[in-house]
Amino acid sequence: AQTVTQSQPEMSVQEAETVTLSCTYDTSESNYYLFWYKQPPSRQMILVIRQEAYKQQNATENRFSVNFQKAAKSFSLKISDSQLGDTAMYFCAFMNWGHSGNMLTFGGGTRLMVKP
Amino acid sequence: DAGVIQSPRHEVTEMGQEVTLRCKPISGHDYLFWYRQTMMRGLELLIYFNNNVPIDDSGMPEDRFSAKMPNASFSTLKIQPSEPRDSAVYFCAIKNGDTGELFFGEGSRLTVL
Repeated sequence: AQTVTQSQPEMSVQEAETVTLSCTYDTSESNYYLFWYKQPPSRQMILVIRQEAYKQQNATENRFSVNFQKAAKSFSLKISDSQLGDTAMYFCAFMNWGHSGNMLTFGGGTRLMVKP
Repeated sequence: DAGVIQSPRHEVTEMGQEVTLRCKPISGHDYLFWYRQTMMRGLELLIYFNNNVPIDDSGMPEDRFSAKMPNASFSTLKIQPSEPRDSAVYFCAIKNGDTGELFFGEGSRLTVL
């Protein structure tokens, strides 16, 4: 079974600064997806960024980027120019590739507070 | 755009009562998932369907929990009888087969007194 670990239960950052959220995972599979989801106080789960394991290039979406280290099984999220609206819970998630791998396994989450 | 409508948004009930949570996908999909979120256990997969057929229900905590998907546009999660420890937010999500991404509904917050 896959496991996803987020070692930082809470983090804070000043507005406009950069913050990095950590995520590690454990799997014996070679092909899979990794995701970061954001859950603001409204509790809606919103996809922030996704990465296919076969791609060596790190995914980037505007102010959000990842550092994907496949050998180390690490998938950190960097938020640049933090905004107050980035305040939320952030969940790292893993999904196997292929027919049998349809379940999304979540980490425990990191609560991020962006301070003005 | 993919989307999922869940109802009710909030429900408060008394222990022993039956609870039915509803999910309506409003776009095409092959897979539908039910997740539960609590402070203690985080996000847990309860059950998922492929083409309306239950594939894995190993996450369903007890026989008190049941889920159905009579057609591609509707699914229910039922708890009978409910207990205070069932209090949680229940999410329905559908999967985009091309990207692997899951699209979540806004969740149903259940409180069992």
